[in-house]
Amino acid sequence: QKEVEQDPGPLSVPEGAIVSLNCTYSNSAFQYFMWYRQYSRKGPELLMYTYSSGNKEDGRFTAQVDKSSKYISLFIRDSQPSDSATYLCAMSGTGANSKLTFGKGITLSVRP
Amino acid sequence: NAGVTQTPKFRVLKTGQSMTLLCAQDMNHEYMYWYRQDPGMGLRLIHYSVGEGTTAKGEVPDGYNVSRLKKQNFLLGLESAAPSQTSVYFCASRAPRAGLAYEQYFGPGTRLTVT
Repeated sequence: QKEVEQDPGPLSVPEGAIVSLNCTYSNSAFQYFMWYRQYSRKGPELLMYTYSSGNKEDGRFTAQVDKSSKYISLFIRDSQPSDSATYLCAMSGTGANSKLTFGKGITLSVRP
Repeated sequence: NAGVTQTPKFRVLKTGQSMTLLCAQDMNHEYMYWYRQDPGMGLRLIHYSVGEGTTAKGEVPDGYNVSRLKKQNFLLGLESAAPSQTSVYFCASRAPRAGLAYEQYFGPGTRLTVT
């Protein structure tokens, strides 16, 4: 079993839709949960992060972490064509030398 | 600040050739990483460095070597390229604060094709 599993996609939605992206994980040591966004032919950039369980909101984006279920989600409200990108979940522990473990990424396309 | 830069952006190699990918960062970060990204495989860590003069193996190190002679530079070498090394290579860096592995800053990538 991979440490981090992410729905493979691709996902296509109409503009204005609510998008839900999800990842599951198996390593209980993970404490930091991140979402990176990667536009075509670009490097990933950090979109949001959450420490431990709970929700975090930033504009149209909401990140949720349920550590009891080992499940994280990213919700995008009122999706826009500019949200079309690949979204990667990533996780890490808390040590100074902690490394990121990434999901495989899901490609989202928002149709005008 | 330029952030993280990678050289070259594209390269085509023949099987058996060698090459070096250069990563440079101007954020005074201690930690640097090399990843490869393949369709359906996500980002996989090749090698990393926690400081000048130190390197360590990641998840998929075979066929690659690295060096960190200067804090701002991290080099990835392919001694004898193989078609399986066709991929997009990303470099990343971060500051060494505990619990903040998420603050990795990525370069724009190098697209390598081995024929």
